[in-house]
Amino acid sequence: GQQLNQSPQSMFIQEGEDVSMNCTSSSIFNTWLWYKQDPGEGPVLLIALYKAGELTSNGRLTAQFGITRKDSFLNISASIPSDVGIYFCAGQLGKLSFGAGTTVTVRA
Amino acid sequence: NAGVTQTPKFRILKIGQSMTLQCAQDMNHNYMYWYRQDPGMGLKLIYYSVGAGITDKGEVPNGYNVSRSTTEDFPLRLELAAPSQTSVYFCASRGRDYEQYFGPGTRLTVT
Repeated sequence: GQQLNQSPQSMFIQEGEDVSMNCTSSSIFNTWLWYKQDPGEGPVLLIALYKAGELTSNGRLTAQFGITRKDSFLNISASIPSDVGIYFCAGQLGKLSFGAGTTVTVRA
Repeated sequence: NAGVTQTPKFRILKIGQSMTLQCAQDMNHNYMYWYRQDPGMGLKLIYYSVGAGITDKGEVPNGYNVSRSTTEDFPLRLELAAPSQTSVYFCASRGRDYEQYFGPGTRLTVT
């Protein structure tokens, strides 16, 4: 599959903070998907993006499909403790290729 | 709808044993997928199917086999298990859009 670079690899959040993560690729994609995985569970779809430039929200989550079709970002606003988990981006061109994930942990 | 279900949830195999990981979906999706997830890594595609009777290899198919005799079921077979197959296995399905829905996973250890 195509190589996706997801950053940051991990982050600490404080309750109430806004956080941001992104994915870049050397290949273009037709679709970008963002998933969240809780410990011991399967990934759950958060947001799907289908058009370059598209900006889509799902509650406190906002994601954008980059204009070049080679990148996407996910923002979480006013983070809460249950936002912890691993967030994966995935790009679709034929098959789905996944980033390595961003691990979000609460700062003590 | 149960969505995508997987059994078993956990399994320990000895080297050389074989087993079948079960996956079923009740959403009438044509597309089904098997992935493996290793620690700190994204998901790697093992096999996929675009409909009953049709399967194809993904990125990492060696050591695995699949079949798709019905729309609902997509079992993954491990023959001659090896320690390198220790992983978490996820099954997923999708309909006509590109949104894949995942099962809860099977955690497999080969010792």
